[in-house]
Amino acid sequence: GAGVSQSPSNKVTEKGKDVELRCDPISGHTALYWYRQSLGQGLEFLIYFQGNSAPDKSGLPSDRFSAERTGGSVSTLTIQRTQQEDSAVYLCASSIDRRVGTQYFGPGTRLTVL
Amino acid sequence: AQKVTQAQTEISVVEKEDVTLDCVYETRDTTYYLFWYKQPPSGELVFLIRRNSFDEQNEISGRYSWNFQKSTSSFNFTITASQVVDSAVYFCALSDDRANSKLTFGKGITLSVRP
Repeated sequence: GAGVSQSPSNKVTEKGKDVELRCDPISGHTALYWYRQSLGQGLEFLIYFQGNSAPDKSGLPSDRFSAERTGGSVSTLTIQRTQQEDSAVYLCASSIDRRVGTQYFGPGTRLTVL
Repeated sequence: AQKVTQAQTEISVVEKEDVTLDCVYETRDTTYYLFWYKQPPSGELVFLIRRNSFDEQNEISGRYSWNFQKSTSSFNFTITASQVVDSAVYFCALSDDRANSKLTFGKGITLSVRP
């Protein structure tokens, strides 16, 4: 079956602009995660969804970051007023169940803030 | 707090050599899960293996094998007879059995296999 998909694959934006990153999880996966991969910080957890709820947002670095999930499926990560330090690869993962499922990752969105 | 340490940052071997990637973890949980992921140059994280804390049996899958030792909090990964296609960054990760099961990753090991 289809894996996790993310769009766009690459995004270049100017400092101060807002961006939206999209994740389509594997069909039937109830848990969805966003991570960020940067050279200095490695792979960091951002936010976790169970269904449409986000019980853990502890990894979001600032209030410029927000995310939502609709229909228990697609998720959007929004970064407002982007800064150069937001440049990273944003990875989405989904699992069939948070407790027993393995997380499968999408190809990521490479965000470059000029 | 959970922590994963991959002390090796870069390893270079010649094709057909065996190579072991080390992973040491820290957790206070009694139930936890350990993972290895591969990130080839294309960038996508590929799942390799998952072990739970109650299963210390070693696992072998083709040229890949994993050694899980709770006594030393280690979960090492060995590639036998390495191939050029094994060149990638390999991440060890840990998750708990609590509310979100988020992954805590090590810094990754860059493996280069030369022909």
